[in-house]
Amino acid sequence: DAGVIQSPRHEVTEMGQEVTLRCKPISGHDYLFWYRQTMMRGLELLIYFNNNVPIDDSGMPEDRFSAKMPNASFSTLKIQPSEPRDSAVYFCASSLSTVNYGYTFGSGTRLTVV
Amino acid sequence: KQEVTQIPAALSVPEGENLVLNCSFTDSAIYNLQWFRQDPGKGLTSLLLIQSSQREQTSGRLNASLDKSSGRSTLYIAASQPGDSATYLCAVIYQKVTFGIGTKLQVIP
Repeated sequence: DAGVIQSPRHEVTEMGQEVTLRCKPISGHDYLFWYRQTMMRGLELLIYFNNNVPIDDSGMPEDRFSAKMPNASFSTLKIQPSEPRDSAVYFCASSLSTVNYGYTFGSGTRLTVV
Repeated sequence: KQEVTQIPAALSVPEGENLVLNCSFTDSAIYNLQWFRQDPGKGLTSLLLIQSSQREQTSGRLNASLDKSSGRSTLYIAASQPGDSATYLCAVIYQKVTFGIGTKLQVIP
């Protein structure tokens, strides 16, 4: 398996623009997670899905952030409109089960909003 | 709310030294604990996963222990090498995962 695949690897955008981050989880994994990593706050869970259904979105900072998982092999995290404080590395991770299995992370998307 | 603390925040050791990284957590109701390694500008690489019923896991020069009752885990690295230089993250998994801030390790040749 190719692991968790994220795109793009880097994204530079202007404030106010819409940004869409993409993730393909490992085939067969039932759980998908979106994290944000900054120097100040470390890794923060934004939202996670189980069988394509959002379970907990309490970490989503505000209404400008939205996430979807239209099928088992694809998820998006959208920021509209983007702001400079959204600059961070966004990671996607997947897991077969949170009970007996660990997490596999993608390589991340480094987002810079200028 | 689960809180995960990692001590020390940074560590610098000479090559060949054995070292211990510490992780503590406030809620003992966990499924698993997972140690990750993160190289600068890279993603997270899983090192060891300890299930709640286990006490330790070993992989090569790495050994991780788990004491749920005291809310502690340690990652032991034997005979450290410059290639071990990275940030090590502890993740406590229940229904979702909570990460520590990490320990930044530098192994000096």
